[in-house]
Amino acid sequence: QKEVEQDPGPLSVPEGAIVSLNCTYSNSAFQYFMWYRQYSRKGPELLMYTYSSGNKEDGRFTAQVDKSSKYISLFIRDSQPSDSATYLCAMLLYNQGGKLIFGQGTELSVKP
Amino acid sequence: GAGVSQTPSNKVTEKGKYVELRCDPISGHTALYWYRQSLGQGPEFLIYFQGTGAADDSGLPNDRFFAVRPEGSVSTLKIQRTERGDSAVYLCASSSGVNSPLHFGNGTRLTVT
Repeated sequence: QKEVEQDPGPLSVPEGAIVSLNCTYSNSAFQYFMWYRQYSRKGPELLMYTYSSGNKEDGRFTAQVDKSSKYISLFIRDSQPSDSATYLCAMLLYNQGGKLIFGQGTELSVKP
Repeated sequence: GAGVSQTPSNKVTEKGKYVELRCDPISGHTALYWYRQSLGQGPEFLIYFQGTGAADDSGLPNDRFFAVRPEGSVSTLKIQRTERGDSAVYLCASSSGVNSPLHFGNGTRLTVT
């Protein structure tokens, strides 16, 4: 079993839809949780960074962490074609020096 | 630019050859990381530098892989006797410190023929 599991998709939604992306993890010691967006042939771009359970909102994006269930989510409201990309969840143990553990990535396509 | 810069963007080499991949981190970032991303997968950790020294090289797959950061800024990932299985995108990232978010470059796409 991988430490971080993420549904690879692909996920296709119409423009304006609410998108829900999810990851589960097995190591309860993970303390930092991130979501990255990766466009084709580009590097991952940091979207959200959290270190506690609960919700964090930034514009159309909301990151949710449930440490008791070892489950994290990213919600995208009013999705746009420009949101079409691969979304990667990533996790970090405390003081592990950036040794992120990534999920497989979910490929999202938002159709106009 | 202000981001992480990686060169070359693409590299094609023959099996058995030696390659060097370069990373120029964000100015002032003390931590530098190398990751490898295979098609359809998330990035996998290779090595982490804090300053000039390798703080964690546990992700390097074998002794054909080596990385340096002699002056605490630019880093070079070196791969000897390349194999077809080394084909992947090699990503570099930097951060302002441990537990701080990582900022990635666009990677070097290595193809071993």
